[in-house]
Amino acid sequence: EDKVVQSPLSLVVHEGDTVTLNCSYEVTNFRSLLWYKQEKKAPTFLFMLTSSGIEKKSGRLSSILDKKELFSILNITATQTGDSAVYLCAVVEGAQKLVFGQGTRLTINP
Amino acid sequence: SAVISQKPSRDICQRGTSLTIQCQVDSQVTMMFWYRQQPGQSLTLIATANQGSEATYESGFVIDKFPISRPNLTFSTLTVSNLSPEDSSIYLCSVGGGQGRGYNEQFFGPGTRLTVL
Repeated sequence: EDKVVQSPLSLVVHEGDTVTLNCSYEVTNFRSLLWYKQEKKAPTFLFMLTSSGIEKKSGRLSSILDKKELFSILNITATQTGDSAVYLCAVVEGAQKLVFGQGTRLTINP
Repeated sequence: SAVISQKPSRDICQRGTSLTIQCQVDSQVTMMFWYRQQPGQSLTLIATANQGSEATYESGFVIDKFPISRPNLTFSTLTVSNLSPEDSSIYLCSVGGGQGRGYNEQFFGPGTRLTVL
């Protein structure tokens, strides 16, 4: 059965800290891995990773994929209270089916 | 990314009734999907909405409970039938494979929060 596991499930840090969120996966027909930020209802697209070892970067956020070890990390540097959200990792399997992890609830305290 | 709208944004329904949720995209897209997010849970794919043919449902979801229409490449509806309190969730449509976008990238609509009394 396809599986995506995120860790930690919950994380509380202070503003300015750097955080690393983890995502490991086991799927039969991997196509790519996606990261989303969910604040209220709609997940907002952050990154799509297809190739190993190539870092994707957007401002203070960055992500990388390791297809040999079957995991990805999402880094957020110099965190701000606006980064507080649930971060979702999803793997595209087969015909564009997304398999989601449980999410990491990140809380940034001022 | 595509501009995706969903209606209604939220609703409160009585047990036994049905709710139809609309998803509209501002440009043609190849793929449209419907997801459910139960309280405190992650997202689960309900079905892939296929243009001009029957939707493809995931294990545990059936057409009688979740009928889906997709009459064209920019619009889809999901109906949640014979509502029970267990159907209280956020329902989200997502799209992929549109013009200028990576085939595997998926973008989500704003979601519909359904509460069943």
